Amino acid sequence: QKEVEQNSGPLSVPEGAIASLNCTYSDRGSQSFFWYRQYSGKSPELIMSIYSNGDKEDGRFTAQLNKASQYVSLLIRDSQPSDSATYLCAVKHPGNTPLVFGKGTRLSVIA
Amino acid sequence: DTGVSQNPRHKITKRGQNVTFRCDPISEHNRLYWYRQTLGQGPEFLTYFQNEAQLEKSRLLSDRFSAERPKGSFSTLEIQRTEQGDSAMYLCASSRMAGGGANTEAFFGQGTRLTVV
Repeated sequence: QKEVEQNSGPLSVPEGAIASLNCTYSDRGSQSFFWYRQYSGKSPELIMSIYSNGDKEDGRFTAQLNKASQYVSLLIRDSQPSDSATYLCAVKHPGNTPLVFGKGTRLSVIA
Repeated sequence: DTGVSQNPRHKITKRGQNVTFRCDPISEHNRLYWYRQTLGQGPEFLTYFQNEAQLEKSRLLSDRFSAERPKGSFSTLEIQRTEQGDSAMYLCASSRMAGGGANTEAFFGQGTRLTVV
């Protein structure tokens, strides 16, 4: 069973709309959650981290965490064509453990 | 440039040859990770160091793969007797362990794209 699940997409949204990306994880002990953006052929770029339940906002990005439901999401407001990329959800368990990644969701923002 | 640096950026090798990749982490980051990524997949964990100690190695990792981090600074990943299935992007990331053992954010290098022909 995969530890981190994401819908592979593609998710298509019109320019200016809100893009909603979702991620579920299997280990209830997970403590740290990250969203990375990856453009085609490039390496992942960290865009958000969230450690406690609730919302965390940074510019046009909002990360939402619900540990009871084992669910983390990323909202992108006022989506731009330059937001078109694959978004990777990563989860970390406590202690000396590595980040575990989902397969990523491909987002396409249509101008 | 204070980011994670990986060399080479691209490597083409013939099947059966050995290859070695290098990663220089962000200075003062004591944790260093190696991941592998193929098309359409998320990064797959390979191995992980805290300072010079290799703390974990994926059980999916073949014995042909070995990694070192002498003196807790840069790291090398060697693949012996390469196979076509080894073709992938090899990613290195580093992070700093905060107080209480909490892990801070991990940042990736640009990756090394390996093609085995």
